[in-house]
Amino acid sequence: EAGVTQFPSHSVIEKGQTVTLRCDPISGHDNLYWYRRVMGKEIKFLLHFVKESKQDESGMPNNRFLAERTGGTYSTLKVQPAELEDSGVYFCASSLRGGWDEQFFGPGTRLTVL
Amino acid sequence: GNSVTQMEGPVTLSEEAFLTINCTYTATGYPSLFWYVQYPGEGLQLLLKATKADDKGSNKGFEATYRKETTSFHLEKGSVQVSDSAVYFCALRGTNSGGSNYKLTFGKGTLLTVNP
Repeated sequence: EAGVTQFPSHSVIEKGQTVTLRCDPISGHDNLYWYRRVMGKEIKFLLHFVKESKQDESGMPNNRFLAERTGGTYSTLKVQPAELEDSGVYFCASSLRGGWDEQFFGPGTRLTVL
Repeated sequence: GNSVTQMEGPVTLSEEAFLTINCTYTATGYPSLFWYVQYPGEGLQLLLKATKADDKGSNKGFEATYRKETTSFHLEKGSVQVSDSAVYFCALRGTNSGGSNYKLTFGKGTLLTVNP
């Protein structure tokens, strides 16, 4: 069974540009999560989808970030316009159910904003 | 709010050395505690977990005991191998009302390098 996949693995963009990150969860997992690790800091929760609905986006840093999960399958996280402080590694995770279910993580997308 | 503090490293050991990575936490109630590992080029993998006080999680020779009195969950391994080289993250998942007990709170991660 395929694990969580993320694309691209690495993205380098200039300040002010737009970047879209993609996450494909494990097939059948209704719950999808985005986390971010800024250099030298903790991995922090960004948001949680159940199917196509945003359940919790309390961790989204500001309105330059937009996450979608149309059709309840893959998810995208768009940053527009990107700022220097957005650099970091963006992790996606999925779980079959929410709550206490184990979250399975993807390899992450490393975003560098110059 | 919840927080996790772990030894930042980097930690460099020789093969067969003893490993300890310290982790302490702050949380209300009775959180579940986890250690995740990220091998080079791969995603975070759950290494072990403990869901209540005095529980010991273990996997692949690694162990950690949930100590509520010291709010700690230190990771240990008696004899590390080169293949254990990775970044290790301590994390907790809280118990709270409102159903938001899915959020993981992580420490900053500890890079471990094991030399032959």
